[in-house]
Amino acid sequence: QKEVEQDPGPLSVPEGAIVSLNCTYSNSAFQYFMWYRQYSRKGPELLMYTYSSGNKEDGRFTAQVDKSSKYISLFIRDSQPSDSATYLCAMSAGNQFYFGTGTSLTVIP
Amino acid sequence: DTGVSQNPRHKITKRGQNVTFRCDPISEHNRLYWYRQTLGQGPEFLTYFQNEAQLEKSRLLSDRFSAERPKGSFSTLEIQRTEQGDSAMYLCASSPARLAGATDTQYFGPGTRLTVL
Repeated sequence: QKEVEQDPGPLSVPEGAIVSLNCTYSNSAFQYFMWYRQYSRKGPELLMYTYSSGNKEDGRFTAQVDKSSKYISLFIRDSQPSDSATYLCAMSAGNQFYFGTGTSLTVIP
Repeated sequence: DTGVSQNPRHKITKRGQNVTFRCDPISEHNRLYWYRQTLGQGPEFLTYFQNEAQLEKSRLLSDRFSAERPKGSFSTLEIQRTEQGDSAMYLCASSPARLAGATDTQYFGPGTRLTVL
């Protein structure tokens, strides 16, 4: 079993839709949870990070962590064509970071 | 520009040749990571440094791979006797974490895309 599971998609939504991206994990020691956005052939760009459980909001983005269910989510409100990218979840319990495979998102104008 | 930088951005080489990549982390970031990413996959951890000390290496890092961070600032990743299976994006990330074992987030560079013919 992988440390982090993420549905690779692809996910296609119309402009303005609410997007929900999710990851599950198996290691209960994970404490830092991150979401990265990666455009084709570019390095990942940090979007959100959360320590332990709870919600965090930044503009159109909301990150949720449910440690009891080992489940994290990223919500994108009012999605835009410029949000089209691959979204990677990542988590850490100390020295190492574990990444999901990424979900490919396309927002159709 | 205060982000993580990597050079070169692209490298094409023939099988059997040696290649070296450079990473310049965000200034004052103590921790530096190297990852490898192939198409459709997330980044896979290779190794990391806390200042100049290489603290952990993945089993993915064969003896053909070596990384250094001599003065605790920039880092180099060398691959000797490249194989076609080494073709991938090599990503560097840095983190402000000051203590070994501490957790903090990390920021990535643009990557070096390696193609081995």
